[in-house]
Amino acid sequence: NAGVTQTPKFQVLKTGQSMTLQCAQDMNHNSMYWYRQDPGMGLRLIYYSASEGTTDKGEVPNGYNVSRLNKREFSLRLESAAPSQTSVYFCASSEAPAPIPDTQYFGPGTRLTVL
Amino acid sequence: QKEVEQNSGPLSVPEGAIASLNCTYSDRGSQSFFWYRQYSGKSPELIMSIYSNGDKEDGRFTAQLNKASQYVSLLIRDSQPSDSATYLCAVKGPYDYKLSFGAGTTVTVRA
Repeated sequence: NAGVTQTPKFQVLKTGQSMTLQCAQDMNHNSMYWYRQDPGMGLRLIYYSASEGTTDKGEVPNGYNVSRLNKREFSLRLESAAPSQTSVYFCASSEAPAPIPDTQYFGPGTRLTVL
Repeated sequence: QKEVEQNSGPLSVPEGAIASLNCTYSDRGSQSFFWYRQYSGKSPELIMSIYSNGDKEDGRFTAQLNKASQYVSLLIRDSQPSDSATYLCAVKGPYDYKLSFGAGTTVTVRA
């Protein structure tokens, strides 16, 4: 049981390049999330998917797109990378949606640098 | 958007002491509160969750919630060097499964 996995672990891009960050979970969770973490700013939600086939914008969606490929996989795409997107990206999953609190489990993160 | 603020730190405590971490939130309708621990270069991991006013204890950790004051805290008793990490406060609304995170408080336990 690997939990939440992310690829790649590290990536360096040039401004304007595109790439897709991959995330998969094996916990049969309904909801998946993409966050970015910048120094001094905590975790900010980029996009989330409440269930297979649905996606919604979070706090900082500009410059990103997502695809919920199936129940297990949720990818994040940068179409034209910018230096402001240099960050650590975390994928998470949870059993939600439900009107009860639940735990989000995080992947190991992808460290992205845009030059 | 729920705003979540934490004492900025860093917080340095001697081994064996109590570390006290504070968190305030802006949305009075928030219902669920979480403390995550994040070691340097690692992903966040949940250490405590609390939903009702009062205290909740789990080992050396105690979470305290006061919804009237919109305040949640985390106490780490008998602090150990292995507790050195950044602690993130997260808040969730009643029908909102999205989490809003604070910026985190970095704790260093001195041996």
